[in-house]
Amino acid sequence: DAGITQSPRHKVTETGTPVTLRCHQTENHRYMYWYRQDPGHGLRLIHYSYGVKDTDKGEVSDGYSVSRSKTEDFLLTLESATSSQTSVYFCAISDLGQPQHFGDGTRLSIL
Amino acid sequence: KQEVTQIPAALSVPEGENLVLNCSFTDSAIYNLQWFRQDPGKGLTSLLLIQSSQREQTSGRLNASLDKSSGRSTLYIAASQPGDSATYLCAVRPRETSGSRLTFGEGTQLTVNP
Repeated sequence: DAGITQSPRHKVTETGTPVTLRCHQTENHRYMYWYRQDPGHGLRLIHYSYGVKDTDKGEVSDGYSVSRSKTEDFLLTLESATSSQTSVYFCAISDLGQPQHFGDGTRLSIL
Repeated sequence: KQEVTQIPAALSVPEGENLVLNCSFTDSAIYNLQWFRQDPGKGLTSLLLIQSSQREQTSGRLNASLDKSSGRSTLYIAASQPGDSATYLCAVRPRETSGSRLTFGEGTQLTVNP
């Protein structure tokens, strides 16, 4: 969908381990976003990027970091995963004023 | 803080019925509003985007309206089909220049019965 690839699609890991999720786009869009989706909370923004090396925090950024060294890649890192970070993670892309387009998500389980 | 509410949370209708999904938001200072569809286990598919200066947008059997002053949007689906079964989410973007941060509602789960 809209040239967005998220990897991995599924991951199970243990509490305290580092985890990195990758979002890759082929659309050359300026903006990239990481959301998490949880029952009872809907979709919430974690971090977003408005250009290479330009990032900002979203609504639920604690415990997460991001990096964007190339236009096409946006990485989300959980430095030390906790069970509360079990969720479905979505990457999205857009250009200013244009609709956001979403990837198919990564289902992350932290035991 | 912007809050987005979607009512009802779930809706079941027979095939062929026209239906309306509702979205309300607390802060009328928005840049645009976007409607999405989400199928189980999938990401979100953008359906319609309405700029704050617009009153409605149409795509096929879908029509979305926006009343910014009252903080409301509706998604009208004409002649519903079983393939329309999905969760529909609305999201608003605040009127700011940095990024395109969206605030989402929790969605309306629609089931269209054959």
